[in-house]
Amino acid sequence: EVQVVQSGAEVKKPGESLKISCKASGFSFTTYWIGWFRQMPGKGLEWMGIIYPADSTTRYSPSFQGHVTMSADRSVTTAYLYWSSLRASDTAIYYCARKGDWFDPWGQGTLVTVSS
Amino acid sequence: QSVLTQPPSVSGAPGQTVTISCTGSSSNIGAGYGVHWYQQLPGTAPKLLIYDTNNRPSGVPDRFSGSKSGTSVSLAITGLQAEDEADYYCQTFDTNQSGVLFGGGTTLTVL
Repeated sequence: EVQVVQSGAEVKKPGESLKISCKASGFSFTTYWIGWFRQMPGKGLEWMGIIYPADSTTRYSPSFQGHVTMSADRSVTTAYLYWSSLRASDTAIYYCARKGDWFDPWGQGTLVTVSS
Repeated sequence: QSVLTQPPSVSGAPGQTVTISCTGSSSNIGAGYGVHWYQQLPGTAPKLLIYDTNNRPSGVPDRFSGSKSGTSVSLAITGLQAEDEADYYCQTFDTNQSGVLFGGGTTLTVL
């Protein structure tokens, strides 16, 4: 079964760092891009960026460039999204998805709560 | 405000047909990039519903269909059912913004 499974919910304080994960299975991890998305409470989907695990090429949305870092580990077929310093406004559900010409399948989402 | 414009909400009674529009421009839909639709049921992750304007993935009922005209695409849902209540998003690529675009999303209410 083709799927991506994300890590569990996180509660962090402002200024802390965080890395969430997206584990791929059922397909060749190095022949697809992986996309990351943010959904703030009660809001729509926002594209954050994509990563090509074969060579870790990344493309960031201008809205997220410099605030998050995408990476991938081919040995464990897992993509990651990293913040070095969280803000309260980073509170959201984060999704990953496999990208061919469209995004499918999607992970179940990781809820990140940033609060002092 | 999204570059792809969707109505915030639509509604219909069971059995009726509703249409959700997604209006872009010459730098995205009008440039010939594929347009895709996602369904997000309450409390769940988005799911691919329609790809490349009018193609359904396996398992998606044929009550869902897509079409395109110029710089706009539409999603039609016929024979509306209660389980169709969800948020629907269109998505494509934009050359000006050099990236993936989503519409703002449309909430479908089944009356």
